[in-house]
Amino acid sequence: QKEVEQDPGPLSVPEGAIVSLNCTYSNSAFQYFMWYRQYSRKGPELLMYTYSSGNKEDGRFTAQVDKSSKYISLFIRDSQPSDSATYLCAMSSIPSMKTSYDKVIFGPGTSLSVIP
Amino acid sequence: DAGVIQSPRHEVTEMGQEVTLRCKPISGHDYLFWYRQTMMRGLELLIYFNNNVPIDDSGMPEDRFSAKMPNASFSTLKIQPSEPRDSAVYFCASSLAAAGPQHFGDGTRLSIL
Repeated sequence: QKEVEQDPGPLSVPEGAIVSLNCTYSNSAFQYFMWYRQYSRKGPELLMYTYSSGNKEDGRFTAQVDKSSKYISLFIRDSQPSDSATYLCAMSSIPSMKTSYDKVIFGPGTSLSVIP
Repeated sequence: DAGVIQSPRHEVTEMGQEVTLRCKPISGHDYLFWYRQTMMRGLELLIYFNNNVPIDDSGMPEDRFSAKMPNASFSTLKIQPSEPRDSAVYFCASSLAAAGPQHFGDGTRLSIL
């Protein structure tokens, strides 16, 4: 089982739809959760960053973390054609006493197309 | 503010040649990461530096790969000799803190013929 799993898509929705993107993970030590957006031929850019469980909202985007289920989600309201991109979830654990850093583990990404 | 800058953006070369990828991180960021992205394997961490010191190179696939960070504003990833299976997009990223959000460059698209 991979540490982080994500449906690769592609996901195609009409403009204005609510989009739900999801990741599951296996490492219960993960505490930091991130969503990155990657446009074609560009590097990933950070979209949302959350710590531990709960919801975080930023404009049309809402990130949700359910640590009991090891499941995170990104919701996009009123989706726009400019939201067409690949969305990668990422997560990491709190640095331990032995190491000052734990790797950020990325999911494989979900390709999203928003059709005008 | 300038983001992470990578060069070249594209590189096409023949098998066996030496390839050098370059990265300038965001000023003030103490961590620098090199990633490789392919369709099959997604985004893989190759190596990361903290304050110019390599900390974890366990992701470097073979001895043909090497990375250096001679100062806080410059890093290189070198492949010698290159092979067709090294073809991928290579990203450099930097961050302020461990486990914190990373800022990526636009990558180098490498094709080994």
